[in-house]
Amino acid sequence: AQSVSQHNHHVILSEAASLELGCNYSYGGTVNLFWYVQYPGQHLQLLLKYFSGDPLVKGIKGFEAEFIKSKFSFNLRKPSVQWSDTAEYFCAVNARNTGFQKLVFGTGTRLLVSP
Amino acid sequence: NAGVTQTPKFRVLKTGQSMTLLCAQDMNHEYMYWYRQDPGMGLRLIHYSVGEGTTAKGEVPDGYNVSRLKKQNFLLGLESAAPSQTSVYFCASSYRTGVNQPQHFGDGTRLSIL
Repeated sequence: AQSVSQHNHHVILSEAASLELGCNYSYGGTVNLFWYVQYPGQHLQLLLKYFSGDPLVKGIKGFEAEFIKSKFSFNLRKPSVQWSDTAEYFCAVNARNTGFQKLVFGTGTRLLVSP
Repeated sequence: NAGVTQTPKFRVLKTGQSMTLLCAQDMNHEYMYWYRQDPGMGLRLIHYSVGEGTTAKGEVPDGYNVSRLKKQNFLLGLESAAPSQTSVYFCASSYRTGVNQPQHFGDGTRLSIL
């Protein structure tokens, strides 16, 4: 069975600090990888996704993530965070051979950016 | 463009009561999903549907039933609510073509069972 680990449950940063959120998954086959963001009181929104090709993917709002296959990781990064980035971030994985997009989510990382 | 709409947004129930959560999408998506979100546990799939008239169990289906009578609607039912079902429920939908289509989420329904 697939699983996703997000080791940082809570992260507190000051504005302009750099961000890196870890995401590791366990699955031996080919996967699609996603990062979703949930702003306070809102629904989940897609931040970025990786299917194939360049392992460094860029998403909205200056976020990027790097897929490292050998480490089963898909870490999310942003060079300089803003107060408006305060949100909960979810990594998600789906195995390509399922024939169906059954996403497995990590437990989430709650980011607080202080002004 | 409404996207995915969930009703109601909030509800308080007493143990043993029943209710139905409604999810409607206007994007002509084939796939629809119901998740529950609990602190420290992320999102867990309750049930899903790959098309009108078909449903399947997800990771945590016990205590819930679903129906997909129309392509645009996916209903989640609680026959006899229990305090353990206190949660935030999210509906999502996606296209069928390819497994790399992102899911689009509704705003959630916050349900409390007393």
